[in-house]
Amino acid sequence: QQPVQSPQAVILREGEDAVINCSSSKALYSVHWYRQKHGEAPVFLMILLKGGEQKGHDKISASFNEKKQQSSLYLTASQLSYSGTYFCGTLEYGNKLVFGAGTILRVKS
Amino acid sequence: DTAVSQTPKYLVTQMGNDKSIKCEQNLGHDTMYWYKQDSKKFLKIMFSYNNKELIINETVPNRFSPKSPDKAHLNLHINSLELGDSAVYFCASSRLGQRNTGELFFGEGSRLTVL
Repeated sequence: QQPVQSPQAVILREGEDAVINCSSSKALYSVHWYRQKHGEAPVFLMILLKGGEQKGHDKISASFNEKKQQSSLYLTASQLSYSGTYFCGTLEYGNKLVFGAGTILRVKS
Repeated sequence: DTAVSQTPKYLVTQMGNDKSIKCEQNLGHDTMYWYKQDSKKFLKIMFSYNNKELIINETVPNRFSPKSPDKAHLNLHINSLELGDSAVYFCASSRLGQRNTGELFFGEGSRLTVL
């Protein structure tokens, strides 16, 4: 069963912040985040392996709440280059990575 | 050098035809995958191979047959193509399964259009 992402879409102006949420009805062992720009392949952003873990990459960071079975991706001071579709993925039995439906992020100047 | 390469990038074909997509990775990874991305951008796993052995086989019509001649290659053959097969097919690879590194490296995708 795929994780649920929210919101489905968000429009920002440059410099604004955004949060994308990912939740699952199943226990989460790890959460992956990817970004896909239009017409391109998804690109890995980060993986969170245990509850309470937080990671950052430039101005994009994420947290993982194992108990609540959810993860959040934080985009700070967004740039035009952040535009794209963000996917969270959760690992299921057999090393199967199941993706959420994606969140479309559009940053306007 | 492209890490994960797929050919062809575009296929346009008629219903009922058979087509193949090839994938090669030069990252030395053990595990390779096929994902299907439909028009709504939903990314769904189809198959996974670890060192030439099939380990994930989702509920995919048996018209789809993957083949891994060696751990650097994973091909996808589709028989009797249907309109609903139109999608972008992504090949991906990772090292020792996702649990170890977590990172999937995707190919550029192969856009299949069935008329």
